[in-house]
Amino acid sequence: DGGITQSPKYLFRKEGQNVTLSCEQNLNHDAMYWYRQDPGQGLRLIYYSQIVNDFQKGDIAEGYSVSREKKESFPLTVTSAQKNPTAFYLCASIPRTTNTGELFFGEGSRLTVL
Amino acid sequence: DAKTTQPTSMDCAEGRAANLPCNHSTISGNEYVYWYRQIHSQGPQYIIHGLKNNETNEMASLIITEDRKSSTLILPHATLRDTAVYYCIVRAYGGSQGNLIFGKGTKLSVKP
Repeated sequence: DGGITQSPKYLFRKEGQNVTLSCEQNLNHDAMYWYRQDPGQGLRLIYYSQIVNDFQKGDIAEGYSVSREKKESFPLTVTSAQKNPTAFYLCASIPRTTNTGELFFGEGSRLTVL
Repeated sequence: DAKTTQPTSMDCAEGRAANLPCNHSTISGNEYVYWYRQIHSQGPQYIIHGLKNNETNEMASLIITEDRKSSTLILPHATLRDTAVYYCIVRAYGGSQGNLIFGKGTKLSVKP
């Protein structure tokens, strides 16, 4: 079935380490997004990409990096420069045009820094 | 900043209609109103969207005011499983999607 797959679902990291969260979609969607969610908070946009080899910063891009080498993949690297990386991370994608135009989300990755 | 404003929380009795408001006073002519909901620690789920006409599907109804500056999501017979955070966002349809901004949403608690 088509969908968005995020991995790993749970991840533990020591302070000072970089970690990469995977996001893969087989929906042939053009645009992909990374959001961060903290307890009791809404979704905050980290980065987004509308086409391959292009991406833009969202509201809280500092300490994060992304790449979009393939349409299907939009990995997020949480670098050691991110001061408070413990959070729930959500990846989403959307096609350029559809009948519904809905945003599809993955199930999320929960990162804990020890 | 989010383009929408929603109440932080609401309660609803099981079996009654839940009416969730959303203000989007700066909405542009080509922007649709979308509603999503998020059950704890899961990815948000699409509910419904609309441009200017009222819409209904198997999950909910969407009422958009004539001036399009606000809307209401209606869950006609709320169940305990409808307890979730509901997000209202506005975005253009098709073409370049750009920056999709979510606010904090409304936490709906359905009580027995």
